[in-house]
Amino acid sequence: SQKIEQNSEALNIQEGKTATLTCNYTNYSPAYLQWYRQDPGRGPVFLLLIRENEKEKRKERLKVTFDTTLKQSLFHITASQPADSATYLCAFWRSYIPTFGRGTSLIVHP
Amino acid sequence: DTGVSQDPRHKITKRGQNVTFRCDPISEHNRLYWYRQTLGQGPEFLTYFQNEAQLEKSRLLSDRFSAERPKGSFSTLEIQRTEQGDSAMYLCASSPEGSGEKLFFGSGTQLSVL
Repeated sequence: SQKIEQNSEALNIQEGKTATLTCNYTNYSPAYLQWYRQDPGRGPVFLLLIRENEKEKRKERLKVTFDTTLKQSLFHITASQPADSATYLCAFWRSYIPTFGRGTSLIVHP
Repeated sequence: DTGVSQDPRHKITKRGQNVTFRCDPISEHNRLYWYRQTLGQGPEFLTYFQNEAQLEKSRLLSDRFSAERPKGSFSTLEIQRTEQGDSAMYLCASSPEGSGEKLFFGSGTQLSVL
């Protein structure tokens, strides 16, 4: 069956450093992969979409890569700030249904 | 843009009771999704509508769960004979036409079954 995996351990980094989160998938080749941010008690908020024919996408301090050979997406936040602390979810699309990973918690220490 | 709204924000119920949640999507969005999320897990797909048609339902969804989207506007999710395992955050999301479009989520309804 299709699986999408994110590191369940929280990522702790110092303010100003680059945070890198990983999303791996198996048994599927998604046409799209998205990243969302979720704060406690709130619904996820869309951040970035990357298509299978794109290697990299950027938006301000955010960068996403998509390696279809490794079946992996990396999500980078440069110059991280305490306000970036949240859970980050990746999702791939199967037809019209997005399937989410469990998310990785990012904690940015001042 | 008023966003996706869900009501209620919190619901506490006793085991065996029925509960109903409402979702009002962004008005021009054709697609509406229901997800369930428990602590430490990602959102788990429950069901999906395009306009008023329910196009897909998760195999994990028991017969106690039913969803409707009359007239292709708001949607309701009903859980009958609630069980403690139903305790979770129920999230609604909407999106415009097209695959790969971003989802706009509501703040969810937190259900606690005692």
